[in-house]
Amino acid sequence: KNEVEQSPQNLTAQEGEFITINCSYSVGISALHWLQQHPGGGIVSLFMLSSGKKKHGRLIATINIQEKHSSLHITASHPRDSAVYICAAPRKGAQKLVFGQGTRLTINP
Amino acid sequence: GAVVSQHPSRVICKSGTSVKIECRSLDFQATTMFWYRQFPKQSLMLMATSNEGSKATYEQGVEKDKFLINHASLTLSTLTVTSAHPEDSSFYICSATLGTGGQETQYFGPGTRLLVL
Repeated sequence: KNEVEQSPQNLTAQEGEFITINCSYSVGISALHWLQQHPGGGIVSLFMLSSGKKKHGRLIATINIQEKHSSLHITASHPRDSAVYICAAPRKGAQKLVFGQGTRLTINP
Repeated sequence: GAVVSQHPSRVICKSGTSVKIECRSLDFQATTMFWYRQFPKQSLMLMATSNEGSKATYEQGVEKDKFLINHASLTLSTLTVTSAHPEDSSFYICSATLGTGGQETQYFGPGTRLLVL
């Protein structure tokens, strides 16, 4: 079992739908990252959170430390949101990240 | 936000040649940089952790003599793929760490796509 597990692995939705991607982790972590990787390959850091909830535009990330679970939500999804979304976390006291397998999101117009 | 650049973005080389990839933090000093490799449809694999002024720490299975890492300053780390072979063709990504004390954020470079013929 991976230390960081994401679900679903693939997600296809219609434009405008509300999207949820889940991430569960089994190690003690100091914070959790949500990353976005577009087809060209470049990675963008969306959020880093250690508690509660963060919002940026149409993106919302939540984390429940007790349940070791985080979610990434996209409201009013758009085809340009199509990308691979990756959750990653450093183990406590370490800097190097443990990555989830990624969720490939496709938003159809 | 913080910006990390990589150069080149794409390189094609002949088998047996060496290729150098640069990773720069443009507007911050990064004590730690990480090098990752990503094969198609797979997750990022950490290759090594690079600290300024000291030897890189390589992950298990990564040949340190093949993937030379130099972290000469707080804003520049280089990865040299020596005697490249077709199986080294991959997407190489660096990240640079900003912050300390459990509040570090990693900023990723745009990646370098290497194709070895």
